[in-house]
Order: sequence, then structure tokens, then C-alpha cells
Amino acid sequence: DVKVTQSSRYLVKRTGEKVFLECVQDMDHENMFWYRQDPGLGLRLIYFSYDVKMKEKGDIPEGYSVSREKKERFSLILESASTNQTSMYLCASSLFQDSYEQYFGPGTRLTVT
Amino acid sequence: AQSVAQPEDQVNVAEGNPLTVKCTYSVSGNPYLFWYVQYPNRGLQFLLKYITGDNLVKGSYGFEAEFNKSQTSFHLKKPSALVSDSALYFCAVRARFSGFQKLVFGTGTRLLVSP
Repeated sequence: DVKVTQSSRYLVKRTGEKVFLECVQDMDHENMFWYRQDPGLGLRLIYFSYDVKMKEKGDIPEGYSVSREKKERFSLILESASTNQTSMYLCASSLFQDSYEQYFGPGTRLTVT
Repeated sequence: AQSVAQPEDQVNVAEGNPLTVKCTYSVSGNPYLFWYVQYPNRGLQFLLKYITGDNLVKGSYGFEAEFNKSQTSFHLKKPSALVSDSALYFCAVRARFSGFQKLVFGTGTRLLVSP
């Protein structure tokens, strides 16, 4: 079974702090994704990566950056956290660009105070 | 732009009754459609997909979905609901942008199955 793990289930940070969310997958997948999930808005794509050191902006990249130094690990960085970034963050991976199925981690609920 | 719409925020059904969770889509070309489920405090899990072929697609946990091209719909169904089916359900469509593929998700429908 594919396993996607995220470093924290719950995180509380202060406004202005730099925040790192880590995601690791164990199935040698090429593609990795970061989404945020908000009630009434569904899932929105922040960034994705199709290879090591490669990244593409999604629908809502503002205020975020990403890093993929190793194939199995994809990090989401909030350079200066703001209260409007309080959300559930979901990481996902898929085998290939044309893969039909994405595998999701359990999510990190981030609260910025 | 490719999109999906889930018109119901919540669906309530009694255990043992059939359930339907609605999804309509807007795409150019042939749609690739998906259903995912999110149980409480869990990530999303893939349920089923429609790529081509039979309009009735069978998936995990006894769920199925019916693709209807004329109505641009892809409704999720189950003949007999279980309390354990209570969860948040997302419809999604595959979209192409900037040379890449991505999934575009609906806003989600909460299914509540009462005993």
C-alpha cells in the first residue's frame, strides 16, 4: 500500500513565523502535490512537483513556496504565516503525470494566531 | 475551464436506504471523472473513476457512479447505505493546464447516514 505521511497532524503558529510542512511518500512516485482544504471551497491546489527540484504553481501559490530535494519528500513553506493561512493542508502523490489516482496523506491542521 | 459542481452541502439518508450524491461537470473534450471520500480526521481516499467505457462504474466499499453525458453528470450511488458511509465526498475532474495534468475538486458533500 502507498503511504503518504505528513510531519504533524496539528500545528499552532504565530503570525509572521516561518512554517515548514513536511510530506513523505514511500512508493517512488514522481508527482507530489500540496492542497489546502477549506469548508465550502473544497480542495485547492497550491503547488505541485513532477520531479526532484522541479515545481509548478497551482491555483493559489501566493504566500507559499515549496522544496523537493529528494524524490520522496515535498515540503511546503509559509515564509511569513498569516491568519488567513489557517487551514487543513493535504499532501498527495501520484505515480506518473498521467496517473489517474492520487494518494493523500492524513493532513495537517494549521492554526495561525 | 474544467470544473465540477456538487450542488448539495449535505445529504441525509437512513441506514439501509439507497443514497445518491450528485456531481455535474463542465469540461471541453472527454471528461476523466473521479470520486474521493474523506473519513473524519483522515486524508482523501480514492473511490472510483470514469475514463471511458461503461457508463456505470463500480468502485470501493460497494459504491458506484453513473456517467451521463447528456446531463453532464457523474452521480455517486450506493444501493444500501451504512452508518459507516458517513463522510465527506468529493467529485473531481482531470484538467490540463500549462502542459500538466491536475485534479479540480468540487466543494464536497457531507453524507450523514442515520441508524
